[in-house]
Amino acid sequence: DVKVTQSSRYLVKRTGEKVFLECVQDMDHENMFWYRQDPGLGLRLIYFSYDVKMKEKGDIPEGYSVSREKKERFSLILESASTNQTSMYLCASAVVGGQGGTDTQYFGPGTRLTVL
Amino acid sequence: GNSVTQMEGPVTLSEEAFLTINCTYTATGYPSLFWYVQYPGEGLQLLLKATKADDKGSNKGFEATYRKETTSFHLEKGSVQVSDSAVYFCALTAYGNNRLAFGKGNQVVVIP
Repeated sequence: DVKVTQSSRYLVKRTGEKVFLECVQDMDHENMFWYRQDPGLGLRLIYFSYDVKMKEKGDIPEGYSVSREKKERFSLILESASTNQTSMYLCASAVVGGQGGTDTQYFGPGTRLTVL
Repeated sequence: GNSVTQMEGPVTLSEEAFLTINCTYTATGYPSLFWYVQYPGEGLQLLLKATKADDKGSNKGFEATYRKETTSFHLEKGSVQVSDSAVYFCALTAYGNNRLAFGKGNQVVVIP
């Protein structure tokens, strides 16, 4: 079974703090993703990575950065946390699909971040 | 661009009722289509998928058929259980695209 783990289930931080969210997958997937999930807005893609050290902006990258130094690990960084970044953060990984696009995404359990 | 539209609002129904959740899409080329489910307190997990027109995906009693002519991928289950209470997301990925486009999800509540 594919396993995607996230470093914390719940996290509470203060405004202005630097926050690291870690994600690790154990299936040698090329693609990894960070989403945030908010009520009424569904999932929104923050960043994704299709290879080590490669990244692309998603729909809402402002206020976030990412790091992928190893294939199995994809980190999301909030340089200076703000209250509007309070959300559920979901990490996912996927192989490259048969049509050259991403195939089934496997999700971690999520990190519920609260910024006070 | 690629996008997915799901019917508005939560769905509340009684145990053993028939469930339909509508999903329509806009995409270039021939996308693959997915339904993901999120149980309370968990991440999303794949429920079923279809990769070409007229394919039917099925799992756990749920079914969805890829309809190219109506650009739809509606989710159905003939007899729901309380354990099917969850949020359901329709999604697509298009050729050469490393991203999934998600619908906004539908909360399904099944009452005993």
